[in-house]
Amino acid sequence: EAGVAQSPRYKIIEKRQSVAFWCNPISGHATLYWYQQILGQGPKLLIQFQNNGVVDDSQLPKDRFSAERLKGVDSTLKIQPAKLEDSAVYLCASSLGLGTGGGETQYFGPGTRLLVL
Amino acid sequence: AQSVTQLDSQVPVFEEAPVELRCNYSSSVSVYLFWYVQYPNQGLQLLLKYLSGSTLVESINGFEAEFNKSQTSFHLRKPSVHISDTAEYFCAVTSNSGNTPLVFGKGTRLSVIA
Repeated sequence: EAGVAQSPRYKIIEKRQSVAFWCNPISGHATLYWYQQILGQGPKLLIQFQNNGVVDDSQLPKDRFSAERLKGVDSTLKIQPAKLEDSAVYLCASSLGLGTGGGETQYFGPGTRLLVL
Repeated sequence: AQSVTQLDSQVPVFEEAPVELRCNYSSSVSVYLFWYVQYPNQGLQLLLKYLSGSTLVESINGFEAEFNKSQTSFHLRKPSVHISDTAEYFCAVTSNSGNTPLVFGKGTRLSVIA
């Protein structure tokens, strides 16, 4: 079974530029998550999708971050314009989304490491 | 809201020695608890989880964790570590109602020394 795919793996940009990350979840997984992991900290949820609807985006900085999952499969996360403090690893995860509550296992991709100069 | 405290940021240990990685959580509601492991240059993988039932949960590679509600802890233990256990370990918590996000601790870097 193929895992969660993310691209690119690494990205270096200058502040005020824009950047986009792509995620393809495990086939059949209805729930998709984007996390931000700043160096020395644990992952922090940015947004959660159930199929193509947003379940939780309370921690997404909506003035600069946006995400979509148009067909309920793959997803993109965009930052525009980027700030220095956006330097982090952006993790995508997916789960079956059976509606059984928070106990589902989340499967993580390898992440995209972003450096903003 | 839930929160997690991992008391040790780094734990060095000799190969074949026992190890305990500490995790304490805070929550006003009942919780599910998880340990995830991140090997170098890889994504996070679930190691084990507590949802209900027996408070002692085990992984396939010899780790175990015990849910202690009175002490709000979910410490991870292994009686004998291997070089291959070198990784970053994250404790995470969510409410058992399913309507709160998974909240991670800052992680503990386990370094196994030959």
